[in-house]
Amino acid sequence: KAGVTQTPRYLIKTRGQQVTLSCSPISGHRSVSWYQQTPGQGLQFLFEYFSETQRNKGNFPGRFSGRQFSNSRSEMNVSTLELGDSALYLCASSGPTGIKTQYFGPGTRLLVL
Amino acid sequence: EDQVTQSPEALRLQEGESSSLNCSYTVSGLRGLFWYRQDPGKGPEFLFTLYSAGEEKEKERLKATLTKKESFLHITAPKPEDSATYLCAVQGLNYGGSQGNLIFGKGTKLSVKP
Repeated sequence: KAGVTQTPRYLIKTRGQQVTLSCSPISGHRSVSWYQQTPGQGLQFLFEYFSETQRNKGNFPGRFSGRQFSNSRSEMNVSTLELGDSALYLCASSGPTGIKTQYFGPGTRLLVL
Repeated sequence: EDQVTQSPEALRLQEGESSSLNCSYTVSGLRGLFWYRQDPGKGPEFLFTLYSAGEEKEKERLKATLTKKESFLHITAPKPEDSATYLCAVQGLNYGGSQGNLIFGKGTKLSVKP
């Protein structure tokens, strides 16, 4: 069974630009969660999508947004990039019910210059 | 608010020197506790899920145990390839909201020297 995939793997942007990251969950998984990981803050929850609906949202500014498609693939968008947005962005998928074991993708490394 | 604290932040071992990593949690009813391994620049790799106090799970040189307030990840006779950051996460009864479904600790960075 294929794991969670994320594209692109690496990205360099400049301040003020916007970026879109993509995540394809494990087949059959309908829940997709996004995290930002930085050395100082650890894993911080961005949002979770389930069946094309945002189910939970972390404490990030509105510049961070996401969506989920009918095939459960998800995208997250960051507008008006800031230097502090440089991080590893991780996507995780999990099954629809029960204990939420999350399976992570390899991540997208974003560098904002 | 649910919380997870991992200790130590960093641990250096010699190859073959067994030790334990700690994960203390405060949660409004535990549904599950999860251990992950993360290599630099990569996504966390799932290791174990523990559901109730007294439960133990093993995988190669790793054994995870769970009590009502903490979990331990025991590493027996570690090898250099066990070097990684080990993350602990919990899911409480009131999961979801702004914390998401899993609450993660900041991890323990393990280095095993040959």
